[in-house]
Amino acid sequence: DTAVSQTPKYLVTQMGNDKSIKCEQNLGHDTMYWYKQDSKKFLKIMFSYNNKELIINETVPNRFSPKSPDKAHLNLHINSLELGDSAVYFCASSYGLAGERDETQYFGPGTRLLVL
Amino acid sequence: AQKVTQVQTEISVVEKEDVTLDCVYETRDTTYYLFWYKQPPSGELVFLIRRNSFDEQNEISGRYSWNFQKSTSSFNFTITASQVVDSAVYFCALSEAGTGRRALTFGSGTRLQVQP
Repeated sequence: DTAVSQTPKYLVTQMGNDKSIKCEQNLGHDTMYWYKQDSKKFLKIMFSYNNKELIINETVPNRFSPKSPDKAHLNLHINSLELGDSAVYFCASSYGLAGERDETQYFGPGTRLLVL
Repeated sequence: AQKVTQVQTEISVVEKEDVTLDCVYETRDTTYYLFWYKQPPSGELVFLIRRNSFDEQNEISGRYSWNFQKSTSSFNFTITASQVVDSAVYFCALSEAGTGRRALTFGSGTRLQVQP
């Protein structure tokens, strides 16, 4: 059983296009995240949602728009793609603000985005 | 603001050697969590361990052990009798519980190469 899944796994597209990445978790978690891993392997938080509510928005260009239709899904839509958007995007989930539960974040397999 | 430092960019060892990966963190929060993740060449992020700030007990899991010292703000990871399958990038990460911000702040990672 896949705990955190992302689609697609690979995405190759032209500059200026709009694309979406989907994420789903079946762990019953209430918080989901998007992280970006750049070419130097550095991982940085982009967004987090708790029960469909945006909690963290880390100075990400507004071309990036997350959407959470329910607490098991968090999608990432990117408008007007630029060369610098090429990276690996990881979705993760955890128990968030509950306080007493295991707050370990579990990651999806990543989406490798290449903008040409 | 929180910060995680992994000064070792790359380590190369021969199989069966012991190796320690260093992690130093900074946080103003009194309640926080520390993590180690493994990223093998296949690219996924695999959770290894989570430690609460109020639990300084060291932990051993098979060939893996972790040394948490609040006095030096360090959370080091040792692999005993390394194997080729241990070759990966290892990330140390921190999340702060007190602020309600659950996003992980990652170190820059240590690439471990285990030669046969």
